[in-house]
Amino acid sequence: KQEVTQIPAALSVPEGENLVLNCSFTDSAIYNLQWFRQDPGKGLTSLLLIQSSQREQTSGRLNASLDKSSGRSTLYIAASQPGDSATYLCAVRGVAAGNKLTFGGGTRVLVKP
Amino acid sequence: DTAVSQTPKYLVTQMGNDKSIKCEQNLGHDTMYWYKQDSKKFLKIMFSYNNKELIINETVPNRFSPKSPDKAHLNLHINSLELGDSAVYFCASSQDYSGGEQYFGPGTRLTVT
Repeated sequence: KQEVTQIPAALSVPEGENLVLNCSFTDSAIYNLQWFRQDPGKGLTSLLLIQSSQREQTSGRLNASLDKSSGRSTLYIAASQPGDSATYLCAVRGVAAGNKLTFGGGTRVLVKP
Repeated sequence: DTAVSQTPKYLVTQMGNDKSIKCEQNLGHDTMYWYKQDSKKFLKIMFSYNNKELIINETVPNRFSPKSPDKAHLNLHINSLELGDSAVYFCASSQDYSGGEQYFGPGTRLTVT
């Protein structure tokens, strides 16, 4: 059974620092991995999708890496801003899981001005 | 021109009642999903439909019945509501079932009293 873990559960940084968010998964047989952002009381916004054949994806200040063999993905957010404060979720689309998305518990990020 | 919309946004009801949540996507996607986010913020898949056909049905009580009148709509009907059904329910869609990005609706916060 696929399990997805995100550590730390919460993170507080001063504005301008780079953010590093970790995601690990137990079954490396995946189709892709997706990073989402969730603001309080809101839905999920897709940030990046990395296919299993890719090693990284970039969008603006965001960069996500994928090491499928070790079951890890890292989301980097450069030069953090207070507007980056949110909960970040990673989700894995697993082969054995019947093509379902399995979510991690999220990392709650606070960027202090 | 919201991509994935849900109604209502908030739903407060008493135990034993029957209620429905509606979801619509205007992205032309073939696949739609229902997720439940519990009080601990874990997101779990409940159902998935592809072109109006059920393809994922997690171990969800049969009090929950999804209905897809067409591929742009996936509604969730819940019978005999229980306290434990209180959660945020998210609808999502993707281009197809082969593993593309999933786009989420804003969520419906259900409170059962």
